[in-house]
Amino acid sequence: EAGVTQSPTHLIKTSGQHATLRCSPISGHTSVYWYQQALGLGLQFLLWYDEGEERNRGNFPPRFSGRQFPNYSSELNVNALELEDSALYLCASSLAGTGGAEDTQYFGPGTRLTVL
Amino acid sequence: AQTVTQSQPEMSVQEAETVTLSCTYDTSESDYYLFWYKQPPSRQMILVIRQEAYKQQNATENRFSVNFQKAAKSFSLKISDSQLGDAAMYFCAYQGGSEKLVFGKGTKLTVNP
Repeated sequence: EAGVTQSPTHLIKTSGQHATLRCSPISGHTSVYWYQQALGLGLQFLLWYDEGEERNRGNFPPRFSGRQFPNYSSELNVNALELEDSALYLCASSLAGTGGAEDTQYFGPGTRLTVL
Repeated sequence: AQTVTQSQPEMSVQEAETVTLSCTYDTSESDYYLFWYKQPPSRQMILVIRQEAYKQQNATENRFSVNFQKAAKSFSLKISDSQLGDAAMYFCAYQGGSEKLVFGKGTKLTVNP
Protein backbone atom coordinates (compact mmCIF):
# COMPACT_ATOMS: atom_id res chain seq x y z
CA GLU A 1 0.00 0.00 0.00
CA ALA A 2 1.39 3.38 -1.01
CA GLY A 3 2.08 5.83 1.77
CA VAL A 4 1.53 9.57 1.83
CA THR A 5 3.25 11.23 -1.11
CA GLN A 6 4.31 14.84 -1.46
CA SER A 7 5.59 16.93 -4.34
CA PRO A 8 7.88 18.53 -5.10
CA THR A 9 10.71 17.21 -2.95
CA HIS A 10 12.47 20.54 -3.03
CA LEU A 11 11.24 23.98 -3.96
CA ILE A 12 13.30 27.14 -4.24
CA LYS A 13 11.58 30.50 -4.45
CA THR A 14 12.43 34.14 -3.89
CA SER A 15 10.78 36.53 -1.45
CA GLY A 16 7.39 37.71 -2.59
CA GLN A 17 6.74 34.73 -4.82
CA HIS A 18 4.02 32.14 -4.43
CA ALA A 19 4.53 28.45 -3.60
CA THR A 20 2.24 25.47 -4.07
CA LEU A 21 2.92 22.20 -2.30
CA ARG A 22 0.97 19.02 -2.99
CA CYS A 23 0.03 15.99 -0.95
CA SER A 24 -1.69 12.71 -1.74
CA PRO A 25 -3.00 10.79 1.28
CA ILE A 26 -2.94 7.08 1.88
CA SER A 27 -5.74 5.41 -0.07
CA GLY A 28 -8.92 5.45 2.00
CA HIS A 29 -7.81 8.32 4.22
CA THR A 30 -10.04 11.37 4.16
CA SER A 31 -8.18 13.71 6.53
CA VAL A 32 -5.08 15.64 5.54
CA TYR A 33 -2.91 17.69 7.89
CA TRP A 34 -0.11 20.13 7.14
CA TYR A 35 2.78 20.89 9.48
CA GLN A 36 5.73 23.24 9.25
CA GLN A 37 9.11 22.10 10.56
CA ALA A 38 11.32 25.15 10.70
CA LEU A 39 14.81 25.17 12.15
CA GLY A 40 14.64 26.16 15.78
CA LEU A 41 10.85 26.27 15.87
CA GLY A 42 10.04 22.59 15.86
CA LEU A 43 6.95 21.07 14.31
CA GLN A 44 3.94 23.35 14.16
CA PHE A 45 0.44 22.55 13.01
CA LEU A 46 -0.71 24.51 9.98
CA LEU A 47 -4.00 23.19 8.61
CA TRP A 48 -6.40 20.26 8.79
CA TYR A 49 -8.74 19.26 5.98
CA ASP A 50 -11.39 16.60 6.16
CA GLU A 51 -13.97 15.73 3.50
CA GLY A 52 -13.01 18.81 1.53
CA GLU A 53 -13.50 21.25 4.39
CA GLU A 54 -10.97 23.16 6.48
CA ARG A 55 -11.53 21.88 10.03
CA ASN A 56 -8.80 23.59 11.99
CA ARG A 57 -6.04 26.10 11.46
CA GLY A 58 -2.86 26.79 13.34
CA ASN A 59 -1.46 30.15 14.32
CA PHE A 60 -0.24 31.16 10.87
CA PRO A 61 -1.01 34.27 8.79
CA PRO A 62 -3.64 34.15 6.03
CA ARG A 63 -0.79 33.93 3.49
CA PHE A 64 -0.91 30.23 4.27
CA SER A 65 -3.94 28.59 2.75
CA GLY A 66 -4.90 25.36 1.15
CA ARG A 67 -7.62 23.14 -0.10
CA GLN A 68 -8.63 19.54 -0.36
CA PHE A 69 -9.86 18.05 -3.60
CA PRO A 70 -12.66 15.50 -4.13
CA ASN A 71 -10.05 12.71 -4.33
CA TYR A 72 -8.81 13.85 -0.87
CA SER A 73 -5.48 15.10 -2.14
CA SER A 74 -4.51 18.50 -0.88
CA GLU A 75 -2.41 21.48 -1.72
CA LEU A 76 -0.83 24.08 0.49
CA ASN A 77 -0.42 27.56 -0.92
CA VAL A 78 1.89 30.15 0.51
CA ASN A 79 1.59 33.68 -0.86
CA ALA A 80 4.03 36.56 -0.60
CA LEU A 81 6.84 34.29 0.54
CA GLU A 82 9.12 35.51 3.29
CA LEU A 83 12.57 34.29 4.23
CA GLU A 84 11.24 32.77 7.47
CA ASP A 85 8.90 30.53 5.48
CA SER A 86 11.93 28.40 4.65
CA ALA A 87 11.17 25.03 6.25
CA LEU A 88 10.28 21.42 5.73
CA TYR A 89 6.54 21.13 5.12
CA LEU A 90 5.10 17.81 6.18
CA CYS A 91 1.77 16.41 5.15
CA ALA A 92 0.02 13.68 7.12
CA SER A 93 -3.17 11.74 6.55
CA SER A 94 -5.55 9.78 8.73
CA LEU A 95 -8.59 7.59 8.19
CA ALA A 96 -11.02 10.02 9.77
CA GLY A 97 -11.09 13.13 11.87
CA THR A 98 -13.68 11.80 14.26
CA GLY A 99 -11.67 10.84 17.29
CA GLY A 100 -10.23 7.45 18.04
CA ALA A 101 -7.47 5.28 16.71
CA GLU A 102 -8.60 6.13 13.19
CA ASP A 103 -7.09 9.53 13.71
CA THR A 104 -3.52 8.27 13.85
CA GLN A 105 -1.57 10.41 11.44
CA TYR A 106 0.89 8.99 8.92
CA PHE A 107 3.38 11.34 7.38
CA GLY A 108 4.79 11.92 3.94
CA PRO A 109 8.45 12.61 3.17
CA GLY A 110 7.98 16.37 3.13
CA THR A 111 8.72 19.25 0.80
CA ARG A 112 11.78 21.35 1.56
CA LEU A 113 10.92 24.98 0.75
CA THR A 114 13.79 27.42 0.52
CA VAL A 115 13.03 31.12 0.19
CA LEU A 116 15.92 33.27 -1.04
CA ALA B 1 -3.37 24.93 25.33
CA GLN B 2 -1.62 21.61 25.42
CA THR B 3 2.15 21.47 25.67
CA VAL B 4 4.65 18.66 25.26
CA THR B 5 8.11 18.77 26.81
CA GLN B 6 11.09 16.61 25.94
CA SER B 7 13.82 17.49 28.39
CA GLN B 8 16.63 15.58 26.69
CA PRO B 9 17.81 17.31 23.51
CA GLU B 10 20.32 14.51 22.88
CA MET B 11 20.84 10.97 24.10
CA SER B 12 23.29 8.26 23.18
CA VAL B 13 23.24 4.50 23.67
CA GLN B 14 25.50 1.59 22.89
CA GLU B 15 24.29 -0.90 20.35
CA ALA B 16 22.29 -3.72 22.03
CA GLU B 17 21.73 -1.63 25.16
CA THR B 18 18.49 -0.08 26.43
CA VAL B 19 17.66 3.62 26.42
CA THR B 20 14.71 5.60 27.75
CA LEU B 21 13.53 8.88 26.27
CA SER B 22 11.46 11.18 28.47
CA CYS B 23 8.33 13.14 27.66
CA THR B 24 5.91 15.10 29.79
CA TYR B 25 2.77 16.88 28.68
CA ASP B 26 0.20 19.24 30.01
CA THR B 27 -3.51 19.06 29.26
CA SER B 28 -6.90 19.52 30.86
CA GLU B 29 -8.51 17.00 28.52
CA SER B 30 -9.37 13.53 29.76
CA ASP B 31 -9.49 11.78 26.41
CA TYR B 32 -6.43 11.95 24.21
CA TYR B 33 -3.72 9.99 22.46
CA LEU B 34 0.03 10.07 22.81
CA PHE B 35 2.55 9.11 20.18
CA TRP B 36 6.23 8.65 19.59
CA TYR B 37 7.41 9.41 16.09
CA LYS B 38 10.89 8.81 14.69
CA GLN B 39 12.50 11.06 12.07
CA PRO B 40 15.72 9.69 10.58
CA PRO B 41 18.06 11.99 8.65
CA SER B 42 16.08 11.04 5.54
CA ARG B 43 13.34 13.17 7.19
CA GLN B 44 10.36 10.81 6.77
CA MET B 45 8.40 10.91 10.03
CA ILE B 46 7.61 7.35 11.08
CA LEU B 47 5.10 6.29 13.73
CA VAL B 48 6.81 4.26 16.45
CA ILE B 49 4.08 3.68 19.00
CA ARG B 50 0.67 4.95 20.11
CA GLN B 51 -0.98 5.07 23.54
CA GLU B 52 -4.64 5.71 24.26
CA ALA B 53 -5.07 7.70 27.46
CA TYR B 54 -8.02 5.59 28.60
CA LYS B 55 -5.91 2.42 28.51
CA GLN B 56 -3.95 1.65 31.65
CA GLN B 57 -1.84 -0.95 29.91
CA ASN B 58 1.38 0.39 28.44
CA ALA B 59 1.72 0.02 24.68
CA THR B 60 4.43 -2.21 23.23
CA GLU B 61 5.69 -2.64 19.68
CA ASN B 62 8.50 -5.17 19.43
CA ARG B 63 11.59 -3.52 20.98
CA PHE B 64 9.71 -0.31 21.75
CA SER B 65 7.58 0.16 24.85
CA VAL B 66 6.20 3.08 26.77
CA ASN B 67 5.77 3.93 30.42
CA PHE B 68 2.54 5.91 30.56
CA GLN B 69 1.83 7.61 33.87
CA LYS B 70 -1.43 9.49 33.37
CA ALA B 71 -1.56 11.18 36.75
CA ALA B 72 1.99 12.41 36.37
CA LYS B 73 1.38 13.28 32.69
CA SER B 74 4.48 11.38 31.73
CA PHE B 75 5.03 9.27 28.62
CA SER B 76 8.51 7.82 28.24
CA LEU B 77 9.77 5.57 25.43
CA LYS B 78 12.03 2.62 26.11
CA ILE B 79 14.06 1.15 23.28
CA SER B 80 15.50 -2.27 24.05
CA ASP B 81 18.35 -3.97 22.21
CA SER B 82 19.18 -0.72 20.41
CA GLN B 83 20.20 -1.01 16.78
CA LEU B 84 22.14 1.33 14.53
CA GLY B 85 18.96 1.93 12.55
CA ASP B 86 17.31 3.39 15.65
CA ALA B 87 19.45 6.51 15.34
CA ALA B 88 17.09 9.40 14.64
CA MET B 89 15.22 12.33 16.10
CA TYR B 90 12.40 11.11 18.30
CA PHE B 91 9.35 13.27 18.79
CA CYS B 92 6.72 12.86 21.46
CA ALA B 93 3.30 14.07 20.33
CA TYR B 94 -0.12 14.71 21.87
CA GLN B 95 -3.46 14.51 20.08
CA GLY B 96 -6.61 15.64 21.77
CA GLY B 97 -10.01 16.84 20.71
CA SER B 98 -8.69 19.35 18.19
CA GLU B 99 -7.15 16.48 16.18
CA LYS B 100 -3.92 18.34 15.54
CA LEU B 101 -0.68 16.88 16.84
CA VAL B 102 1.26 18.92 19.37
CA PHE B 103 4.92 17.96 19.28
CA GLY B 104 7.79 18.21 21.69
CA LYS B 105 11.08 19.67 20.51
CA GLY B 106 12.55 16.23 19.95
CA THR B 107 15.41 14.10 21.27
CA LYS B 108 18.30 13.22 19.00
CA LEU B 109 19.30 9.61 19.62
CA THR B 110 22.76 8.42 18.66
CA VAL B 111 23.51 4.70 18.64
CA ASN B 112 27.17 3.84 19.07
CA PRO B 113 28.53 0.60 17.60
